[in-house]
Amino acid sequence: DGGITQSPKYLFRKEGQNVTLSCEQNLNHDAMYWYRQDPGQGLRLIYYSQIVNDFQKGDIAEGYSVSREKKESFPLTVTSAQKNPTAFYLCASSGQSGGPQHFGDGTRLSIL
Amino acid sequence: AQSVTQPDIHITVSEGASLELRCNYSYGATPYLFWYVQSPGQGLQLLLKYFSGDTLVQGIKGFEAEFKRSQSSFNLRKPSVHWSDAAEYFCAVGPPPSNAGNMLTFGGGTRLMVKP
Repeated sequence: DGGITQSPKYLFRKEGQNVTLSCEQNLNHDAMYWYRQDPGQGLRLIYYSQIVNDFQKGDIAEGYSVSREKKESFPLTVTSAQKNPTAFYLCASSGQSGGPQHFGDGTRLSIL
Repeated sequence: AQSVTQPDIHITVSEGASLELRCNYSYGATPYLFWYVQSPGQGLQLLLKYFSGDTLVQGIKGFEAEFKRSQSSFNLRKPSVHWSDAAEYFCAVGPPPSNAGNMLTFGGGTRLMVKP
């Protein structure tokens, strides 16, 4: 079945450490997105990519970085510059026709 | 700027009762509207979407939503709630379908609790 796979499901970060969250899709979608979700809040856009080798900052990009070397993959790195990284991170994708976004099951990041 | 407001942060209904979740949007052009549901610790699942046509839209799991342009609203309804409907619900708005992806703005969500 086609879908979006996020890994790991749980991730812990030490002080000063960079961590990378994986997002892979086999839906043949061009656009991919990363969101951050904090308890009791909606989704906030971190980065998005509409095509391979191109991406744009969202509303809260500071302290995060991404790459889009392959259509299927859009990894998110949470850098040490992100001082409050504890959150639930969601990856999504959408097709060229502008259809709805499809979501992965998320990665929960916590601080050790 | 586009925005989505879900006025009710929490709603509690009895099992078998009807449900209406409110969503108001602000968008400068014809909106593309969505409702998603999120179970704890999971991603978002699409319930239904609306861009054009009949303003009453049917979705999965027995949900429906009605688009009212004059009120800038897109409220979600279900005639009889089941305990398994307990979850968080998100309304979202985006641009019309195009080849440029689909940038969405999400509301803050409504957490639904169902009493036995």
